[in-house]
Amino acid sequence: DSGVTQTPKHLITATGQRVTLRCSPRSGDLSVYWYQQSLDQGLQFLIQYYNGEERAKGNILERFSAQQFPDLHSELNLSSLELGDSALYFCASSPGGFPYNEQFFGPGTRLTVL
Amino acid sequence: AQTVTQSQPEMSVQEAETVTLSCTYDTSESDYYLFWYKQPPSRQMILVIRQEAYKQQNATENRFSVNFQKAAKSFSLKISDSQLGDAAMYFCAYSPHSGAGSYQLTFGKGTKLSVIP
Repeated sequence: DSGVTQTPKHLITATGQRVTLRCSPRSGDLSVYWYQQSLDQGLQFLIQYYNGEERAKGNILERFSAQQFPDLHSELNLSSLELGDSALYFCASSPGGFPYNEQFFGPGTRLTVL
Repeated sequence: AQTVTQSQPEMSVQEAETVTLSCTYDTSESDYYLFWYKQPPSRQMILVIRQEAYKQQNATENRFSVNFQKAAKSFSLKISDSQLGDAAMYFCAYSPHSGAGSYQLTFGKGTKLSVIP
């Protein structure tokens, strides 16, 4: 158990819908990363938040957005869902800052878009 | 942009034997981090080993060791005395050495390792 929790574990929805994935980082970690794992794209970085502020952005679609709340949990919002958005979405947390600290991955949310 | 390439989609090894997984990467940076992650069937991402590019000494963690060739941009993982529990997907990953505190990971496509009893 990494100490990172993600809810829900599984999510099945239809095209065009909107969903919210939630991530609670390890106690004390300020940084949250979101990654998408799909058959087509592999594992790719989406976005990072550090202490409530966006720190880095990767291959995140405009239909996707994220935020980190004052209690440091983070949410990834996916809207106008398409079949290709079906994937495993991971969040990872780390203490953040400098120098490097290990990222601890949550168990992931499996999203299926029908 | 940085890229990470794993040229072996699948590999197999006999239990108790040694196997080496290959990884190459491309970057214009001189300082960075490299990783091997393991993803068993449970889908949990587990860090196996980490290498800082500025360190010439190859990292080791118990039965896992790396061969880091900075000039060749090569980063292979050697698993010694393979065990059944080593069967998993292995991902090579790169992270910039960021003064801004962002260490996003760029992953390869992965190598599926099977361990034969």
